[in-house]
Amino acid sequence: GNSVTQMEGPVTLSEEAFLTINCTYTATGYPSLFWYVQYPGEGLQLLLKATKADDKGSNKGFEATYRKETTSFHLEKGSVQVSDSAVYFCALISSGSARQLTFGSGTQLTVLP
Amino acid sequence: DGGITQSPKYLFRKEGQNVTLSCEQNLNHDAMYWYRQDPGQGLRLIYYSQIVNDFQKGDIAEGYSVSREKKESFPLTVTSAQKNPTAFYLCASSIDNGIYGYTFGSGTRLTVV
Repeated sequence: GNSVTQMEGPVTLSEEAFLTINCTYTATGYPSLFWYVQYPGEGLQLLLKATKADDKGSNKGFEATYRKETTSFHLEKGSVQVSDSAVYFCALISSGSARQLTFGSGTQLTVLP
Repeated sequence: DGGITQSPKYLFRKEGQNVTLSCEQNLNHDAMYWYRQDPGQGLRLIYYSQIVNDFQKGDIAEGYSVSREKKESFPLTVTSAQKNPTAFYLCASSIDNGIYGYTFGSGTRLTVV
């Protein structure tokens, strides 16, 4: 079956530090990959996505590249801000018959001023 | 603006009561989903529906029920059979069975008192 493994949290960084949150996956077929962000007390917002190998998703300074050879989709940002503090979820959906999002366990990020 | 509306934002339930959580979308999405999120954990799928008048159990359907009488609406009932209902409940919808991602509501926090 499909699965997503995310870097364990929590992660604490100083403002303007470089961020990497690792995500690897196991899937049948050719999955689409996503990063979602959840701010405290809110629902999930789609941050970025990639639908095929070597695609790079980007949004709000965040980037992730779909690496089929390493089955990875690591999230990066060159300079984090306090407002980036949130929980980040990696997810995939496969092209099989039961198309449901499979989520990682989430990574809590705290950015200190 | 199109989106998903969940209500209420906070809900309190007494032991032995059934409660219904509302989820309405005006995105013209075919598929809708209910997830449960417990503190510090990822999301677990309760039920999903790909078309009107049809729905499928997810990973943790016991103690929950749903209906899909209209495309726009997918209410979730938490029954007295659900032994530990205190959690954050998220509704989502998607077009094309989710290949481009899901849109999430802002969630309902249910507490048993």
